[in-house]
Amino acid sequence: NAGVTQTPKFQVLKTGQSMTLQCAQDMNHNSMYWYRQDPGMGLRLIYYSASEGTTDKGEVPNGYNVSRLNKREFSLRLESAAPSQTSVYFCASRGQGGANEQFFGPGTRLTVL
Amino acid sequence: TQLLEQSPQFLSIQEGENLTVYCNSSSVFSSLQWYRQEPGEGPVLLVTVVTGGEVKKLKRLTFQFGDARKDSSLHITAAQPGDTGLYLCAPGGYQKVTFGTGTKLQVIP
Repeated sequence: NAGVTQTPKFQVLKTGQSMTLQCAQDMNHNSMYWYRQDPGMGLRLIYYSASEGTTDKGEVPNGYNVSRLNKREFSLRLESAAPSQTSVYFCASRGQGGANEQFFGPGTRLTVL
Repeated sequence: TQLLEQSPQFLSIQEGENLTVYCNSSSVFSSLQWYRQEPGEGPVLLVTVVTGGEVKKLKRLTFQFGDARKDSSLHITAAQPGDTGLYLCAPGGYQKVTFGTGTKLQVIP
């Protein structure tokens, strides 16, 4: 039982390059989330998926796209990376019920030069 | 989006001191969660408070949910270096989970 896994752990991009961050969970959770965390700051919600086949914008969706590939996997794509997207990206999942806890992955540290 | 303001933003204290951090909103919540994030890790749930006025204790940590269910506090007694981290609150009861601004705590040995 690995929980929430993210790949890659580290990535360096040049401005304008694209990449996809992968996230998978093995807890049979319906909801999945992508957050970004800038140095010394809290978490900001980028996109979330309440269930397989649905995705919704969070607080800071501009410059990102997501795909809920199936119940297990939720990917985040940067089409044209910008230095402002340098951050640590966390994926999380949550089971049924509004009060259930979120389980987080270990994060992807992305630097855009 | 439910806005949650946390205070203070930063706190640096000596080992053994007591402290309280706050999570405030103008919205009413069905429940509220507290998470702790250690450096280099993802956040981990500490507690969920559900009932207005509820007090929950987790060893040296005491969590309280406001009577009106708009705010919450976290009190740490005799802080230890292992308490160092970022403390985040988040509302329960919503699919769209947005976190508070966070309190960064440093406990100096």
